[in-house]
Amino acid sequence: GENVEQHPSTLSVQEGDSAVIKCTYSDSASNYFPWYKQELGKGPQLIIDIRSNVGEKKDQRIAVTLNKTAKHFSLHITETQPEDSAVYFCAASKEGSQGNLIFGKGTKLSVKP
Amino acid sequence: DAGVIQSPRHEVTEMGQEVTLRCKPISGHNSLFWYRQTMMRGLELLIYFNNNVPIDDSGMPEDRFSAKMPNASFSTLKIQPSEPRDSAVYFCASSSGLAGPRNTGELFFGEGSRLTVL
Repeated sequence: GENVEQHPSTLSVQEGDSAVIKCTYSDSASNYFPWYKQELGKGPQLIIDIRSNVGEKKDQRIAVTLNKTAKHFSLHITETQPEDSAVYFCAASKEGSQGNLIFGKGTKLSVKP
Repeated sequence: DAGVIQSPRHEVTEMGQEVTLRCKPISGHNSLFWYRQTMMRGLELLIYFNNNVPIDDSGMPEDRFSAKMPNASFSTLKIQPSEPRDSAVYFCASSSGLAGPRNTGELFFGEGSRLTVL
């Protein structure tokens, strides 16, 4: 089955710097890659996703890139702000098969003012 | 929209007691998921339902765990008897489960039920 590895497990940056979180997946049939943000005491919330027919997607300060050949994808946050501090999860699945959404272990991002 | 509603938010119980966690999905969503979150194992899918029918329960750790969805607006996850290693945050999530290849698969999570078994 699918296995998703996520790095780093913790990341600390200064406000205004960029943050990058990387994930790899094992199942070449996976074609849907969402990123979730979990704030303290809350459930995870989808912030951006990418499908395998595109290599990059951007939404304001966040962007995701996908390398299907290498089976890895990354989350990029630019101009980080203290409110970006949270745990971020990557995930992978085959589109149309919701039950197979496999999550990485998460990255705790701390943005220092 | 009220979002996914879970109860209780916190539960502390003693080993051997029965625990029941409850979930109300977003109205109109026809897929419901139960996840367990721990530091060691991250987010694990326990079971998911589609149109109230359990589709995959392979993530349920053992027979002490059971889940039901008697109707489209309510689901329970029961642990009987509970053990200290069951201590975790349990999340319920729902999705619109639109049919077809363009299904976004976006999950809407509740705020979780933090279970502590002493």
